[in-house]
Amino acid sequence: DQQVKQNSPSLSVQEGRISILNCDYTNSMFDYFLWYKKYPAEGPTFLISISSIKDKNEDGRFTVFLNKSAKHLSLHIVPSQPGDSAVYFCAASTPFSGSARQLTFGSGTQLTVLP
Amino acid sequence: DSGVTQTPKHLITATGQRVTLRCSPRSGDLSVYWYQQSLDQGLQFLIQYYNGEERAKGNILERFSAQQFPDLHSELNLSSLELGDSALYFCASSIGGLATDTQYFGPGTRLTVL
Repeated sequence: DQQVKQNSPSLSVQEGRISILNCDYTNSMFDYFLWYKKYPAEGPTFLISISSIKDKNEDGRFTVFLNKSAKHLSLHIVPSQPGDSAVYFCAASTPFSGSARQLTFGSGTQLTVLP
Repeated sequence: DSGVTQTPKHLITATGQRVTLRCSPRSGDLSVYWYQQSLDQGLQFLIQYYNGEERAKGNILERFSAQQFPDLHSELNLSSLELGDSALYFCASSIGGLATDTQYFGPGTRLTVL
């Protein structure tokens, strides 16, 4: 049972335009959401996160939107640059006692930004 | 460079064998996490250690085990290997395990079981 789903395996966008990557989740206990970016032959790199008490978080060209009622998360990249071409993973976490946070990842979306 | 190192980068072995993957966390990080990424799949959380103690268990098979040593490096042991264990294995580390603690990932170990 996939609790975090990224239904688009790939997305192509023109340089300078907006990239929108989507993520859906099923577990209503998730309270913290993250996006990671992964280049080939490297590990995932943290990009941006959002707590369930917010519906938007911005960091430079990256904005994450959270729609709790729809259990939907999206990442907007504006403007898109060729260097943004990578696999983007959505991840979610439930509250955990002590010092543990278990992340559940989606299967990823390959973003290609065309020059 | 995330500061997390993993060795070896590649590992090719046969079914039934046992292998050990090693991870050195970023300096100062107390938590280590192990993830498995099979072909076209997302990362599956296996296990977390915090300052030498097991803190959380995910979808880790009984044939797999891990430990974190006093110097905070961690090893993931995979035994009785099967073809389906072929995957990328990532280690990540964080300062603690709080919601605001970012997990920094190593480059991964690619395991191929023939």
